[in-house]
Amino acid sequence: DSGVTQTPKHLITATGQRVTLRCSPRSGDLSVYWYQQSLDQGLQFLIQYYNGEERAKGNILERFSAQQFPDLHSELNLSSLELGDSALYFCASSVGWLTDTQYFGPGTRLTVL
Amino acid sequence: TQLLEQSPQFLSIQEGENLTVYCNSSSVFSSLQWYRQEPGEGPVLLVTVVTGGEVKKLKRLTFQFGDARKDSSLHITAAQPGDTGLYLCAGAAYSGAGSYQLTFGKGTKLSVIP
Repeated sequence: DSGVTQTPKHLITATGQRVTLRCSPRSGDLSVYWYQQSLDQGLQFLIQYYNGEERAKGNILERFSAQQFPDLHSELNLSSLELGDSALYFCASSVGWLTDTQYFGPGTRLTVL
Repeated sequence: TQLLEQSPQFLSIQEGENLTVYCNSSSVFSSLQWYRQEPGEGPVLLVTVVTGGEVKKLKRLTFQFGDARKDSSLHITAAQPGDTGLYLCAGAAYSGAGSYQLTFGKGTKLSVIP
């Protein structure tokens, strides 16, 4: 158990819909990262927040957005969903922003039908 | 864009055999991490190597960081069925945006047959 929690574990929805994925970092960690894992692309970095502020962006689509709240939990919002958005979405956390050790949550499996 | 190439992509071996997984890049990384991921779960950090030429051992697993900090290898001695899983390497580099970013390889799927 990494100490990072993610909800829900599974999510099934239809194309065009919007969903929200939630992540609670390890106690004391200020940075939260979001990743997408698909069979063909592997694990891709989406976005990072540190203490409530966006710190770095990766391959995140404009239809996707995220935020980190004052209690440090984070939400990833996915809208206008397409079949290709079906994937595992992982959240990771780390102590600070200038650190390279991240701890991953169990993931949310999103299926878009 | 930094890329990490992992090989082999798939590996199926008998219990007791040795194996090596490779992780190569043309980019220099500040550190290289190895993760193991089981189906339906998140990646779990096994080790971080930081110094060029560094070798770290974790029981039957030996990790090496290349001298130029562009490549790494994972060697498993006397593989056990419990070693089965997806092994991912990830290179860390300062992104210039005030953070380290991890670039992951696509992974090596290892099956150890009893």
